[in-house]
Amino acid sequence: QQQVKQSPQSLIVQKGGISIINCAYENTAFDYFPWYQQFPGKGPALLIAIRPDVSEKKEGRFTISFNKSAKQFSLHIMDSQPGDSATYFCAASARKTSGSRLTFGEGTQLTVNP
Amino acid sequence: GAVVSQHPSWVICKSGTSVKIECRSLDFQATTMFWYRQFPKQSLMLMATSNEGSKATYEQGVEKDKFLINHASLTLSTLTVTSAHPEDSSFYICSAGRGSLGRRTGELFFGEGSRLTVL
Repeated sequence: QQQVKQSPQSLIVQKGGISIINCAYENTAFDYFPWYQQFPGKGPALLIAIRPDVSEKKEGRFTISFNKSAKQFSLHIMDSQPGDSATYFCAASARKTSGSRLTFGEGTQLTVNP
Repeated sequence: GAVVSQHPSWVICKSGTSVKIECRSLDFQATTMFWYRQFPKQSLMLMATSNEGSKATYEQGVEKDKFLINHASLTLSTLTVTSAHPEDSSFYICSAGRGSLGRRTGELFFGEGSRLTVL
């Protein structure tokens, strides 16, 4: 019930391409869905987040698509750059019942080739 | 943006010793902080929720006597790994929400992490 499933585990994209990472959840109480970017040896950094009342949110090259009925959300990185090579984690929280306690996906290691 | 600072960023210790890791929210008050553990190429595993002025809430399977958490002020939480053993070697990360705003928005800010190596 509390899990967030993330795929793919790893992803290789050419520079300028689109990177797509998918997540699915079961807990319908989840109402906040952030994506985090983590570089080796560093803590995660918030990239972009969405709430279930919207189906899409875009910030620069990063877009979250959210499908409430399917309980799925995805991260799209447009014009992927070598500097985007990192591990990406989706997460979810149920603010009303658990506050800001996050449940993380398994992570996706993205490599953008020059 | 909000900043969460961890110290030390890395520590090497001998088996049997105790190690303390500090987590500070630098520009906001955090009534709740979270402690995570991350093994190589794995996701973040929540260990415990640190509550200011009260006892921490530990996740199932996490030994509270081994991983002591103290949240003595609104800007500082500490994690002490007691009698550390090689299997405790890991990357420990804290996070904090910006008070009531954090609880309402769900937004968390993460520290840079602390790499613990137990010899």
